[in-house]
Amino acid sequence: GQNIDQPTEMTATEGAIVQINCTYQTSGFNGLFWYQQHAGEAPTFLSYNVLDGLEEKGRFSSFLSRSKGYSYLLLKELQMKDSASYLCATLGGSTLGRLYFGRGTQLTVWP
Amino acid sequence: DVKVTQSSRYLVKRTGEKVFLECVQDMDHENMFWYRQDPGLGLRLIYFSYDVKMKEKGDIPEGYSVSREKKERFSLILESASTNQTSMYLCASSYDSGEKLFFGSGTQLSVL
Repeated sequence: GQNIDQPTEMTATEGAIVQINCTYQTSGFNGLFWYQQHAGEAPTFLSYNVLDGLEEKGRFSSFLSRSKGYSYLLLKELQMKDSASYLCATLGGSTLGRLYFGRGTQLTVWP
Repeated sequence: DVKVTQSSRYLVKRTGEKVFLECVQDMDHENMFWYRQDPGLGLRLIYFSYDVKMKEKGDIPEGYSVSREKKERFSLILESASTNQTSMYLCASSYDSGEKLFFGSGTQLSVL
């Protein structure tokens, strides 16, 4: 089975840095995705990690430690438009390659 | 850009009705998925398909069925809608297993 845990809510102020953690326990693991979802909209892809380490993409970075079952999404220079839900998802170990989603972290950025 | 189109943004149905939710993708993706999203529960997989006429149950298939007669179209069917099926339904597709998902805009279904 799959167990994915992330905080329910986080708040931060504009210009700050925030780190959203995700821990997972899976029967098979082929990578970890982060998605962003604004209220009333579809989730959109942010990042994918399959190897340990940090992947940087502009203001957003994602880190993975497979031995610890741990990932984080780092958002720098926060902007109001970053207020959204951030979804952590693991890629299952079966050949079918389905994603297992956490419940999402609602980030609110204050001015 | 990949486009995943869901036929309705909002839908209101009555208990016991048969409901069809349609999803079409335009990038020749092999895989298609149906999720429902409820507050506090996150995204839960209902059914998925890896090829035409192929289907696999997800975590919560009860009360639902699917149809994939053509590669680009994946339909979710509620045989007899119930109030506990009131939810946001999201369709997604991916090029291959392990590839990122592209989501449609969602259908907010209310069953009265």
